[in-house]
Amino acid sequence: DAGITQSPRHKVTETGTPVTLRCHQTENHRYMYWYRQDPGHGLRLIHYSYGVKDTDKGEVSDGYSVSRSKTEDFLLTLESATSSQTSVYFCAISESSGRSGGTQYFGPGTRLTVL
Amino acid sequence: AQTVTQSQPEMSVQEAETVTLSCTYDTSESDYYLFWYKQPPSRQMILVIRQEAYKQQNATENRFSVNFQKAAKSFSLKISDSQLGDAAMYFCAYRSSNYGGSQGNLIFGKGTKLSVKP
Repeated sequence: DAGITQSPRHKVTETGTPVTLRCHQTENHRYMYWYRQDPGHGLRLIHYSYGVKDTDKGEVSDGYSVSRSKTEDFLLTLESATSSQTSVYFCAISESSGRSGGTQYFGPGTRLTVL
Repeated sequence: AQTVTQSQPEMSVQEAETVTLSCTYDTSESDYYLFWYKQPPSRQMILVIRQEAYKQQNATENRFSVNFQKAAKSFSLKISDSQLGDAAMYFCAYRSSNYGGSQGNLIFGKGTKLSVKP
């Protein structure tokens, strides 16, 4: 299994509070991703990173920000959590491009509930 | 933009039988990757199989194989000798071969829930 951990694994918070989710990898992979999973929608990309301090938006980035100050850590922040952000959040990693690379490996997920 | 469609929200199979999960996709690209991921009740996303579009040969991993029809933009997953542990959500996903910008990201279908009956 790829060395990917997510913390916390479960969190309950209240509307309007800031929340930060952490993804940590031990594989030294260049690319890191944050997805959210909701019933009826599959997984949707929030933000991704293609290197330290290099990030970009995904399909559902509104209300989220990210930071990557080290290769191994990718943080997802909800500046002011809303009930619509209740979801399961997955981090994924992949090696650099090329025909031998590109497969994404996923962390265990974080279940976030916003009351 | 690319899209991935899984038209079967739920499927059921008898233990030891064979089942095929369907996936179609839409793209204007000629080179890309396709994946099947399994998500058991533990919620962990597990890679099942991967197919490169430039390869004509269908990928196989033990009891799992795919039927890749590039012209039809179809990528079905066949599970042979189904086992109770195969019960899970299965997601089909597409990725461009171009890693520039957002093109290296996975685009997922909505999933098929597979039940295995003993």
